[in-house]
Amino acid sequence: GAGVSQTPSNKVTEKGKYVELRCDPISGHTALYWYRQSLGQGPEFLIYFQGTGAADDSGLPNDRFFAVRPEGSVSTLKIQRTERGDSAVYLCASSYRQGYQDEQFFGPGTRLTVL
Amino acid sequence: GESVGLHLPTLSVQEGDNSIINCAYSNSASDYFIWYKQESGKGPQFIIDIRSNMDKRQGQRVTVLLNKTVKHLSLQIAATQPGDSAVYFCAERDTDKLIFGTGTRLQVFP
Repeated sequence: GAGVSQTPSNKVTEKGKYVELRCDPISGHTALYWYRQSLGQGPEFLIYFQGTGAADDSGLPNDRFFAVRPEGSVSTLKIQRTERGDSAVYLCASSYRQGYQDEQFFGPGTRLTVL
Repeated sequence: GESVGLHLPTLSVQEGDNSIINCAYSNSASDYFIWYKQESGKGPQFIIDIRSNMDKRQGQRVTVLLNKTVKHLSLQIAATQPGDSAVYFCAERDTDKLIFGTGTRLQVFP
């Protein structure tokens, strides 16, 4: 694909429900990142994958959040028992991780609304 | 991505003028900085980057200045165009992740 794609583009759910957000990175990119962006704020880091493994999950707010990348390509961000405070745009980015410069290419995001 | 913010600092410029967007970063040990542009409904888009061993870098119509003494970054856009209207974020790299600053909304008037 030409860029990072994310599905769905919008997700509306009820408090307490489980949601999955999908990210398709740029082909060949080994690194994948999830960020969360609240209204009027910059993106905040959640988790970073290098290949299949989560290299840094320090940004996950609590154990209701989990992400996987089983084959080193597509990643799914999973949120259990959603709360209204989880409402935000969830951004995925990928990069090639070659050399010093490591440009992260962002997808359009999934807007999650928890009612 | 969400770029409409009720309380974002806003810079309004006339088409053709130069724009300067400022950013303060937090970590004096950061060694790599990036400017992103975010249009409504889209994810952040890379504009230009700079390493900490430089104090200036130029791209096409854009220049980034880095002042490590006061931990300050600026983005200069020459001959601002309507298509430059967006929210601009600076980001510093912390190990593997990016830490984004507060965005600035740039509005360009004809």
